[in-house]
Amino acid sequence: GQSLEQPSEVTAVEGAIVQINCTYQTSGFYGLSWYQQHDGGAPTFLSYNALDGLEETGRFSSFLSRSDSYGYLLLQELQMKDSASYFCAVRDRAAGNKLTFGGGTRVLVKP
Amino acid sequence: DSGVTQTPKHLITATGQRVTLRCSPRSGDLSVYWYQQSLDQGLQFLIQYYNGEERAKGNILERFSAQQFPDLHSELNLSSLELGDSALYFCASSENRTGGTGANVLTFGAGSRLTVL
Repeated sequence: GQSLEQPSEVTAVEGAIVQINCTYQTSGFYGLSWYQQHDGGAPTFLSYNALDGLEETGRFSSFLSRSDSYGYLLLQELQMKDSASYFCAVRDRAAGNKLTFGGGTRVLVKP
Repeated sequence: DSGVTQTPKHLITATGQRVTLRCSPRSGDLSVYWYQQSLDQGLQFLIQYYNGEERAKGNILERFSAQQFPDLHSELNLSSLELGDSALYFCASSENRTGGTGANVLTFGAGSRLTVL
């Protein structure tokens, strides 16, 4: 089956850098995705890594190491609006290609 | 507006009842996914459809069923409701069903909040 592990909560101040790690176990890995969800809102897509390496999109970057079954989301120059939950997700071809989400990391940005 | 439309936004009902949640995917998307999110919990995958056919199933209860119609909208039916079924139910859509970025970029609707009393 699939399993994903990510920290439950991270607190940081405005302007800081936060790294959210995600380790996964799948039997037919396609790629690692990241989604952001504000309280009461819908998840929104942030990034997708299919190959090893770093993908940068503005203040957010995502990294993948397939050999280590590990990835991370890097949030730079934190802003108050970045306070949200962040979910990693993997698609497992051995599990009918379903997209499984981790438990989420709640990021709290303080002034 | 994400382009994925879910109705109703809020629903309050009693235990033992049956409800139907509706989802219209983003224009052009053939895959529809249903997720359940209980309070302060993660997103639990329920079921996925692609162009009218079931493609993947999660830990969906037997009391729950879903289908995707020829016009690609989908309905999630929840029956014999229990207190523990109270949750946010999200529908999401994507371009295709398997590999590639398109399949992994899910666009979520605003959700249907179900409260069972």
